[in-house]
Amino acid sequence: EVQLLESGGGLVQPGGSLRLSCAASGFIFNNYALSWVRQAPGKGLEWVSSIRAGSDSTNYADSVKGRFTISRDNSKSTLYMQMDNLIADDTAVYYCATGGGNDNFDVWGQGTMVTVSS
Amino acid sequence: EIVMTQSPATLSVSPGERATLSCRASQSVSSNLAWYQQKPGRAPRLLIYGAATRVTGIPARFSGSGSGTEFTLTISSLQSEDFAIYYCQQYNNWATFGQGTKVEIK
Repeated sequence: EVQLLESGGGLVQPGGSLRLSCAASGFIFNNYALSWVRQAPGKGLEWVSSIRAGSDSTNYADSVKGRFTISRDNSKSTLYMQMDNLIADDTAVYYCATGGGNDNFDVWGQGTMVTVSS
Repeated sequence: EIVMTQSPATLSVSPGERATLSCRASQSVSSNLAWYQQKPGRAPRLLIYGAATRVTGIPARFSGSGSGTEFTLTISSLQSEDFAIYYCQQYNNWATFGQGTKVEIK
């Protein structure tokens, strides 16, 4: 069974940092593009970032560019999102998903909540 | 950035009736369009990709159509489990989502 399991969310002060992880199982991790999608409370879905299968191509939404960094460790089948200089507008449930980079989002994790507040 | 606009924002439908949801792209996305269903407290679920291809296991009452800039998701006979929020998403140029259409019980 294909599974994605996010972790690392929590409460952080404005200007702080957090690293999210997404552990994958049930598929050949190296072969898939992966993405982060977020959803602020009561709002719609917002694509955040994607990394292609070869790890050499990444892209970010303008709202997080320069503050967030996506990466992957194929040996651990894990996707990461380093989030720096967090602001209140980053408060959301963060989902990891397979796909992105010119592909739909096929499989989703259950999400991890990030709250930015003093 | 490609902007995706969904209409209506809310659709009130009686069980058994047809629901028609629209999605418009600010520029052509070819057939690189997906539809997702999301229920409260749950992750989104992929229903349709390639504008018209149903994911394995998705009931045949869900159908997608369109290409270029105009797309439609049709639910032919609404069941109780279909009341949810539906999002379209283009993946012709990375990714953007529409703002969603809430399908509620009339």
